[in-house]
Amino acid sequence: SQKIEQNSEALNIQEGKTATLTCNYTNYSPAYLQWYRQDPGRGPVFLLLIRENEKEKRKERLKVTFDTTLKQSLFHITASQPADSATYLCALVRLQAGTALIFGKGTTLSVSS
Amino acid sequence: DVKVTQSSRYLVKRTGEKVFLECVQDMDHENMFWYRQDPGLGLRLIYFSYDVKMKEKGDIPEGYSVSREKKERFSLILESASTNQTSMYLCASSFPPPTDYGYTFGSGTRLTVV
Repeated sequence: SQKIEQNSEALNIQEGKTATLTCNYTNYSPAYLQWYRQDPGRGPVFLLLIRENEKEKRKERLKVTFDTTLKQSLFHITASQPADSATYLCALVRLQAGTALIFGKGTTLSVSS
Repeated sequence: DVKVTQSSRYLVKRTGEKVFLECVQDMDHENMFWYRQDPGLGLRLIYFSYDVKMKEKGDIPEGYSVSREKKERFSLILESASTNQTSMYLCASSFPPPTDYGYTFGSGTRLTVV
């Protein structure tokens, strides 16, 4: 069955550094992959979508890469700030028919000043 | 500002009660989804809908049903609430692919079944 793994449950970095989060998937070839941010007690917020024919996508301080050979996406936050502290989720379309997303369990990022 | 609104932020119900969780979106999205989120298990898909009166089972539909009578409203029904349905419930909506936009989620309903 398809699987999504976000390798780290938690990541702690210092303000100003680049945070790099990893999302790996197996038994699957998704057409696109999405990243979301979730703050405690709130619903996830969509950040970026990257398609299988795109190697990299950027939005302000965020950068996402998508390597379909390695079956991996990397999510980078440059010049990180304490306000970036949150849980970050990657998501793929379910293998079964339809377009509903399945989500990884998330990586909780803490940025200290 | 576009919105997905869930009717309650916190809900406490008794075992065996029939529970209705309501979700309304104002973005004219065709697709709507219900997830539950539990510590250590992440977000799990319960049901989804691509159009009015249409519904599809997700990965954990047992003990739940849904209703979509209007495009903007998608209701989740717990037929007979049980303690293992204590969870955070999240509703989301989206346009069908291809789109550069992801899901818009509501703020969630934290349901406790006692």
